[in-house]
Amino acid sequence: DAGVIQSPRHEVTEMGQEVTLRCKPISGHNSLFWYRQTMMRGLELLIYFNNNVPIDDSGMPEDRFSAKMPNASFSTLKIQPSEPRDSAVYFCASSLAGTSSYNEQFFGPGTRLTVL
Amino acid sequence: AQKVTQAQTEISVVEKEDVTLDCVYETRDTTYYLFWYKQPPSGELVFLIRRNSFDEQNEISGRYSWNFQKSTSSFNFTITASQVVDSAVYFCALRNRGSTLGRLYFGRGTQLTVWP
Repeated sequence: DAGVIQSPRHEVTEMGQEVTLRCKPISGHNSLFWYRQTMMRGLELLIYFNNNVPIDDSGMPEDRFSAKMPNASFSTLKIQPSEPRDSAVYFCASSLAGTSSYNEQFFGPGTRLTVL
Repeated sequence: AQKVTQAQTEISVVEKEDVTLDCVYETRDTTYYLFWYKQPPSGELVFLIRRNSFDEQNEISGRYSWNFQKSTSSFNFTITASQVVDSAVYFCALRNRGSTLGRLYFGRGTQLTVWP
């Protein structure tokens, strides 16, 4: 089975440009998570969805960040306009959430974003 | 509140040495789940193990072993006879049973370097 798929794997853009990161979760998983990893702040949860509905976006840094999950097999994280401090590795993860399961998350390979 | 502390930021060992990575957690829930993830230099986050709070039996998988002690709120990870390929960042994570939608709380990670 395919794991979590993210694209692009690397993105280099200039400040002020719009950036869109994409994620395809594992088939059958009902929760999806977006994380950001930096040296300074470690692994931060930005937002997560359950059954395509955003549950908690309190980790989204500011209004420049937005995320959508139009269906069970696709999610996007958009940054508009991008700034150099947004440079980080962005991970998408998915899990099968429920009271009776461990809910371990499976991570995608990440998108390394560099904003010049 | 939920919190995971990995006090060891970096550890360096020489190949074939044993090494233990510490993880201390805080939670008010009586039912919870603990996880370890590995992030090798290639960057992806790989799930290693899960444990629920009712199962304090230690687990061994090859050169890896995990020691779960509720009395000290610790879930430590030991690598026996370390190898260069074990070099990675290791993350400990916690999920409360009440978090039915699968949110995990991660520690800051421990960078393990194994020298030949």
